[in-house]
Parts: sequence; structure tokens; C-alpha cells
Amino acid sequence: DTGVSQDPRHKITKRGQNVTFRCDPISEHNRLYWYRQTLGQGPEFLTYFQNEAQLEKSRLLSDRFSAERPKGSFSTLEIQRTEQGDSAMYLCASSHDRVESVSPLHFGNGTRLTVT
Amino acid sequence: AQSVTQLDSHVSVSEGTPVLLRCNYSSSYSPSLFWYVQHPNKGLQLLLKYTSAATLVKGINGFEAEFKKSETSFHLTKPSAHMSDAAEYFCVVSGPTDKLIFGTGTRLQVFP
Repeated sequence: DTGVSQDPRHKITKRGQNVTFRCDPISEHNRLYWYRQTLGQGPEFLTYFQNEAQLEKSRLLSDRFSAERPKGSFSTLEIQRTEQGDSAMYLCASSHDRVESVSPLHFGNGTRLTVT
Repeated sequence: AQSVTQLDSHVSVSEGTPVLLRCNYSSSYSPSLFWYVQHPNKGLQLLLKYTSAATLVKGINGFEAEFKKSETSFHLTKPSAHMSDAAEYFCVVSGPTDKLIFGTGTRLQVFP
């Protein structure tokens, strides 16, 4: 298994356009997380899936953001009507179900979004 | 609510000297704590984790961290820095649903 895969690696878009990112988690992981990281900051939690169910969304996630995980495998994150403030690195991570202790997250390399 | 505070935004050391990256946490229950490292243009990598077993946790690449409940600290140390250790380091606490809450990061520079 090659780890968490994200596509594309980079995306440049004009303000007002829609963009969609894809994340393929580690195959046996049923938890999937999206984070956003801006320059000089730590990653901030956006949303979380257990299998296909979206269980938690951050207040950071405005109505322009939507995430799906239709079959409990890959996930997509869509941003509608992009704004310059959306420019960031979008990180995907996956993990096992929690058993006896917290299962660490495995991160992808991220998708860097630049909104011009 | 859970949170972490990384006390230094930048740390500079000479190769071969000890590394200390400081982290304090706040948690309303017994926390799970992690250190992640991020090299330029690479993904976040788990260095080590604490989950209420031994308070001294050993990680990869010679790093270790000690959980001190009385001080609410989880500092990261390494006896001897290597040039390849230069990176951004994040102290992380696990919140409800196991989502990770990151600190703002400490950039480690290693000089020859």
C-alpha cells in the first residue's frame, strides 16, 4: 500500500471558480479527515468521515465547502465560488477505528490551492 | 476543550548538540499527545505518540518525549541533532472523535 494519495498536488484557479480535490486513503482505514494549513500555521481540522458518514464539520467550513465520501473509500472536497482567502494547503488523513488507544493519522502530501 | 501551545516558533541548534522543542497542553480529560514532523514539500509524519502508557515515549530518528502531567507538558528532545532533522515540528493533542488539534509549529534549524 502506498499511503494516502491526494490529487492534484497543485491547483491554481481564478476567484469565483469551483474546485474539487480528491483523497484516496489507506485501503483498510475507515476514518478520513480533511485539514487546511496556511503558511506558518499548523493544520486546522475541517471535517471527518467514518466510512461514508460525515460525522463532524468545523465551523471553519463555510457553506461554499462540501465534502463527500460516497462509498466509504475515496473522498472529495469541493470549494464553490473560491475566494483568495481559500488559498492554502488542503491535507487529507486516514486512520483505523479507535480500539484501545488513539490510532494515529496518516497524512497525504496535500493539495496546494492558489486562488488568484 | 483541548489545545496545545508550542512555546518556541523557531529553534536553532548546531549539529551534534541536543534538541529541545517545548509543548504545553490543555485537556479536560486524559489526553493522547503526538509529535508530527513536516519536511519541506513533504507530508506530515508521525514521530511519536503518548496514550497513557509509559510517560517517556520513544519515537523514530532518536526523538523522545516525556509526558509530565503536573506540568501539563510534552516536550520533544533528541540528544544529538543531525542536519536532516531540520523541519517543522508540530505538537498535537487528540480531541473527541480522535480529531487532531495542532499547535502552531516550531521550525528547527540545524547549523553545521
